[in-house]
Amino acid sequence: GENVEQHPSTLSVQEGDSAVIKCTYSDSASNYFPWYKQELGKGPQLIIDIRSNVGEKKDQRIAVTLNKTAKHFSLHITETQPEDSAVYFCAASTGTASKLTFGTGTRLQVTL
Amino acid sequence: DAGVIQSPRHEVTEMGQEVTLRCKPISGHNSLFWYRQTMMRGLELLIYFNNNVPIDDSGMPEDRFSAKMPNASFSTLKIQPSEPRDSAVYFCASSLDRTSHEQFFGPGTRLTVL
Repeated sequence: GENVEQHPSTLSVQEGDSAVIKCTYSDSASNYFPWYKQELGKGPQLIIDIRSNVGEKKDQRIAVTLNKTAKHFSLHITETQPEDSAVYFCAASTGTASKLTFGTGTRLQVTL
Repeated sequence: DAGVIQSPRHEVTEMGQEVTLRCKPISGHNSLFWYRQTMMRGLELLIYFNNNVPIDDSGMPEDRFSAKMPNASFSTLKIQPSEPRDSAVYFCASSLDRTSHEQFFGPGTRLTVL
């Protein structure tokens, strides 16, 4: 089955700096790659996603890049703010069903 | 819309007791997922349903776990008998259908088995 690895497990940045989280996947058939944000005491929430026919997608301060050849994708957050502090999860799906395989999560801390 | 609703939000029980977690998906969503989240294993998919039918239960840890979806607006995850290693946060999520990948998560049920 699919295996998703995520790095780093923790990341601390100063407010205004950029943050990058990286994931690799094993199943070359995967074609959908979402990123979820989980705040303390809440369920994960989708923040951005990318499909395999696209190399990059941007939504305001958040961008995701995908390299299908290398089987890795990354989340980029620019101009970080304290409210960006949360746990971020990447995931992958083959697209034949909604089943997602999640990475292990990255705890992002944005300091003032 | 109220989003995915889960109950209870917290459950503390003793080893050997039966535990039932409940989920109400978003109205109109046809796919429902049960996840377990622990520090050691992260987010694990336990089972998912499409149109009330279980599609993949390969993530269910053992026979002590069972899940049902008697109708489109309600699902249960039951653990009988419960064990301390079942302590985790259990999330329910729903999506529009099998081809719609965005999953909407509920707030979770924090289960503690003493």
